[in-house]
Amino acid sequence: DAKTTQPTSMDCAEGRAANLPCNHSTISGNEYVYWYRQIHSQGPQYIIHGLKNNETNEMASLIITEDRKSSTLILPHATLRDTAVYYCIVRVAGAGGTSYGKLTFGQGTILTVHP
Amino acid sequence: DTGVSQNPRHKITKRGQNVTFRCDPISEHNRLYWYRQTLGQGPEFLTYFQNEAQLEKSRLLSDRFSAERPKGSFSTLEIQRTEQGDSAMYLCASPPPTTMNTEAFFGQGTRLTVV
Repeated sequence: DAKTTQPTSMDCAEGRAANLPCNHSTISGNEYVYWYRQIHSQGPQYIIHGLKNNETNEMASLIITEDRKSSTLILPHATLRDTAVYYCIVRVAGAGGTSYGKLTFGQGTILTVHP
Repeated sequence: DTGVSQNPRHKITKRGQNVTFRCDPISEHNRLYWYRQTLGQGPEFLTYFQNEAQLEKSRLLSDRFSAERPKGSFSTLEIQRTEQGDSAMYLCASPPPTTMNTEAFFGQGTRLTVV
């Protein structure tokens, strides 16, 4: 799976949008971009994933650049409960084997939302 | 609550003792993953089960570690002769049984402290 690069930490004011970048310059055509977050002392929580189109769900939006070498996770109105470590993961699509369950986590971005 | 249950949530043990953790995945999920997470790092893959078969093991899983999944339901992870370096959060993940890319549901983990 392709490696990802994320900033170590970011701050955001409550109520503002949090934009978390991720570089994945070696991504292959069949690899998806996944975002998970981990609130202190809990297991990772799935947020969103995408292949090449921008995606939005009730939690966040995912913007993937046209060349797919980078992406941005957007939390439109950050709250104090969004303080967590955010992981950007790139992995191969498809059925069979271990690839679509096995996740390779980096160190992630520590997002701190302050009042 | 993701539906993945891990017990115990916390375990403190003396060096050299054996410990066993349990994961109860979502009942209809036939795949189950174990991860280990040390302080300040992202989770690292340990092993993978499809039903009762253990299909992949990481090199991180030394011979002191053994995992089982009898009858393809709950899984146990045992560490024999624990060492201080085994102190970590042990996470279980349960992806849905589909062939498409999808999210993994994580339990809240078992935090092991070896003293």
